[in-house]
Amino acid sequence: GNSVTQMEGPVTLSEEAFLTINCTYTATGYPSLFWYVQYPGEGLQLLLKATKADDKGSNKGFEATYRKETTSFHLEKGSVQVSDSAVYFCALSDRGGATNKLIFGTGTLLAVQP
Amino acid sequence: NAGVTQTPKFQVLKTGQSMTLQCAQDMNHEYMSWYRQDPGMGLRLIHYSVGAGITDQGEVPNGYNVSRSTTEDFPLRLLSAAPSQTSVYFCASSYSILGQGNTEAFFGQGTRLTVV
Repeated sequence: GNSVTQMEGPVTLSEEAFLTINCTYTATGYPSLFWYVQYPGEGLQLLLKATKADDKGSNKGFEATYRKETTSFHLEKGSVQVSDSAVYFCALSDRGGATNKLIFGTGTLLAVQP
Repeated sequence: NAGVTQTPKFQVLKTGQSMTLQCAQDMNHEYMSWYRQDPGMGLRLIHYSVGAGITDQGEVPNGYNVSRSTTEDFPLRLLSAAPSQTSVYFCASSYSILGQGNTEAFFGQGTRLTVV
């Protein structure tokens, strides 16, 4: 079945460091891919998404490229801030299905220190 | 904008008690879902609905019931709470099937449930 694997955390970085959070997926067909962010005490918010191969999603300085050949959707940011501290979830949605289901990775906790 | 509203935010139950987690959205979305979030497991789908009067099971439905009498509301019922149901519960809604076009899921702030 479909699944998402993302790197385990926590990831601890200093402010202005470069961030990469790895995400790979297994899916039949051509899923849509998402990164969601969960700030402390809040629900999940969509950070960025890509719906087809080679698409690049971007938002708030974060980027991720849909790589079909490597089945990956790694999240990157050139210079993190303390305010980026949160849990980041990679997710996929089976485009052809009727279940409206998101399949999530286990989440990666990012802690940015000043 | 209210978006997706969940109540309560926190709840402690004794084993065997029942309760209903409330979820309401004001975006006129057809699609609504319930997920549970457990450490090391991400979010897992409990039940979902594609419109008023239509519900179906997700991957972990046992011990939970849902109904969808209106577009706005999608309550989740725990029939007889068990310690294994200790978790954080999230309700989500979207205007169409996820993965199609620019569809985005909107999440509530969650309900932290502890069963003792």
